[in-house]
Amino acid sequence: DAGVIQSPRHEVTEMGQEVTLRCKPISGHNSLFWYRQTMMRGLELLIYFNNNVPIDDSGMPEDRFSAKMPNASFSTLKIQPSEPRDSAVYFCASDSRTGATNVLTFGAGSRLTVL
Amino acid sequence: EDKVVQSPLSLVVHEGDTVTLNCSYEVTNFRSLLWYKQEKKAPTFLFMLTSSGIEKKSGRLSSILDKKELFSILNITATQTGDSAVYLCAVLNTDKLIFGTGTRLQVFP
Repeated sequence: DAGVIQSPRHEVTEMGQEVTLRCKPISGHNSLFWYRQTMMRGLELLIYFNNNVPIDDSGMPEDRFSAKMPNASFSTLKIQPSEPRDSAVYFCASDSRTGATNVLTFGAGSRLTVL
Repeated sequence: EDKVVQSPLSLVVHEGDTVTLNCSYEVTNFRSLLWYKQEKKAPTFLFMLTSSGIEKKSGRLSSILDKKELFSILNITATQTGDSAVYLCAVLNTDKLIFGTGTRLQVFP
C-alpha cells in the first residue's frame, strides 16, 4: 500500500497564479479530507468528501478555494488566484468510514509558497 | 464552536525526563480523541481513546481520557531525542477530526 499520495511536494508561485494540488487516497478508503497547516493556526480542516461527495466545505477560507473529487481515487484542491497568505502546508488524508476507527492516514503534504 | 486546546505550546526537556502533554476540548457529539505525532512531515497516529479512565500504552508513551472533565493527557517517560516532534490532539465529532494547535516537544541529550 503506497499510502496517501500528494503532488506536488513543493510549489513556489507568484501572487495571482492558479495553484492545483492533487491527492490520491488509499484504495478502499471512502472519505477524503483536505487540511491546511500553518504555524499560527495549526491544522485546519478545509473540506471533506464521503464517497466522492463534498460533505462539509465550511472550512474553505473563501471563493478562491475550490475542491473536487471526480472519482474515488483522485481529488484536487485549487486556489485561484493565489495570495501570499495562502502559503502553508496542505495535507490530504483519507480513512474508511466502513470501520469504526476513523484513524486518518495523512499524505506527506504539499508545501505552498506564494510570493 | 468546537475547539481543542493543547498545552503547553512548547516544551524543552533533557533526555530521561518525563513529560505530560495536555489536551482539553469542547466538542458537540464527541466520539473519540486521537493523538498524533508529527515530525518533519505528515502526522502519524499514536492512540485513539473513546472511554474514560482506560489507559492506552505503547512503549514509553501512554494516554488517558476523562470525558467528564473533557480532557486527555499524553505521558512520555524516559524521553529520548527521537521523541522530539509536535504532538497533536484531535477530537472526532460526528464525522470530522478537529485538531489542536499542537505541543512542540524538544528533547536534548
